[in-house]
Amino acid sequence: SQQGEEDPQALSIQEGENATMNCSYKTSINNLQWYRQNSGRGLVHLILIRSNEREKHSGRLRVTLDTSKKSSSLLITASRAADTASYFCATPLIQGAQKLVFGQGTRLTINP
Amino acid sequence: DAGVIQSPRHEVTEMGQEVTLRCKPISGHNSLFWYRQTMMRGLELLIYFNNNVPIDDSGMPEDRFSAKMPNASFSTLKIQPSEPRDSAVYFCASGTSGSGNTQYFGPGTRLTVL
Repeated sequence: SQQGEEDPQALSIQEGENATMNCSYKTSINNLQWYRQNSGRGLVHLILIRSNEREKHSGRLRVTLDTSKKSSSLLITASRAADTASYFCATPLIQGAQKLVFGQGTRLTINP
Repeated sequence: DAGVIQSPRHEVTEMGQEVTLRCKPISGHNSLFWYRQTMMRGLELLIYFNNNVPIDDSGMPEDRFSAKMPNASFSTLKIQPSEPRDSAVYFCASGTSGSGNTQYFGPGTRLTVL
């Protein structure tokens, strides 16, 4: 089944460093989304990148998309303790569909 | 603006009891999604509605689970009878069709079935 798979499963870095997470998916998509989940909370939408975009920025976030490799990356620059959370990529089950499939997530820990 | 509202936030019940989870989507959103999250299986879509109509319930684990959306501002997920393996965090999310599928999640209901 189509599913985004994040890599690594867990990442621990020092505050101020950059964090990079990767996502791979299996079939053609029209967009890919990244979400954040703080412990005990619901998911929060971070950014959506369309299939005709290669890179997108939002504040300290930078997302890339390589449709030829079926992969995406999320870069968080100048990390802060508040960035500690799990990060998920999500892709439509079928291109253009509303139904999203979420990966297992990357658990990011920012050490002060 | 109020986000997605879920109640209760925590529910502890005994095996065999009926459990009802409630969700109020964001006003103006016409899509509503119910998810279940566990450590073992991650985030699973159970069912979703468009304009109050169930579109895809293929993720509903079995007949013990049912969901309704009687109007645009309210949905329920019912488990009857509940079993210990139903213990999980249940999320409701809403969105608008055609918005690129962005979904807005509620805080979740943590269900524990003893």
